[in-house]
Amino acid sequence: AQTVTQSQPEMSVQEAETVTLSCTYDTSESDYYLFWYKQPPSRQMILVIRQEAYKQQNATENRFSVNFQKAAKSFSLKISDSQLGDAAMYFCAYRSARGAQKLVFGQGTRLTINP
Amino acid sequence: DAGITQSPRHKVTETGTPVTLRCHQTENHRYMYWYRQDPGHGLRLIHYSYGVKDTDKGEVSDGYSVSRSKTEDFLLTLESATSSQTSVYFCAINGQRTTGNTIYFGEGSWLTVV
Repeated sequence: AQTVTQSQPEMSVQEAETVTLSCTYDTSESDYYLFWYKQPPSRQMILVIRQEAYKQQNATENRFSVNFQKAAKSFSLKISDSQLGDAAMYFCAYRSARGAQKLVFGQGTRLTINP
Repeated sequence: DAGITQSPRHKVTETGTPVTLRCHQTENHRYMYWYRQDPGHGLRLIHYSYGVKDTDKGEVSDGYSVSRSKTEDFLLTLESATSSQTSVYFCAINGQRTTGNTIYFGEGSWLTVV
């Protein structure tokens, strides 16, 4: 079974600085997807960024980018120019490209932005 | 917006009573999921569906049942609610090609069992 591990329960960063959230996963599959979801205090799950395992290029969405290291099974999220609105829980998730395509989540990292 | 509506959004119920949560989608997606979220555990899969009347268990299915008699509705039932089932419940859909193979979530249902 696949597992996802986020080793940083909490992180903090100064506003306008850059922060990196870590995620590692374990799988024997070669074709899969990886995601970062943001959960603000409203508890809504918001997709931040996604990465297809077959793509070597790291995904980027505005101030959010990932460092995808397939061999190392590592998928970190970098947030540049941190803003107060970035404060939230961040979840890393894995999804197989086959079968029922269920999401497997890490435990989450709580990100605090210091003004 | 993936067109997902969960109801009720908030519910308080007594131990031993049955509870049904409803997930409704408007875009004909094949796959639907129920997750629960608890502190320190992230989101964990309860049950999922891959079509009308086609459902299967997730990692925390004990004490829960589901039904999907129509494409648009996926029901989660707690036959006899327990305090350990106090949680936030999220419905999700995977529209595969129509959502770029991304899973989208409803807004959550807060359930308190007293």
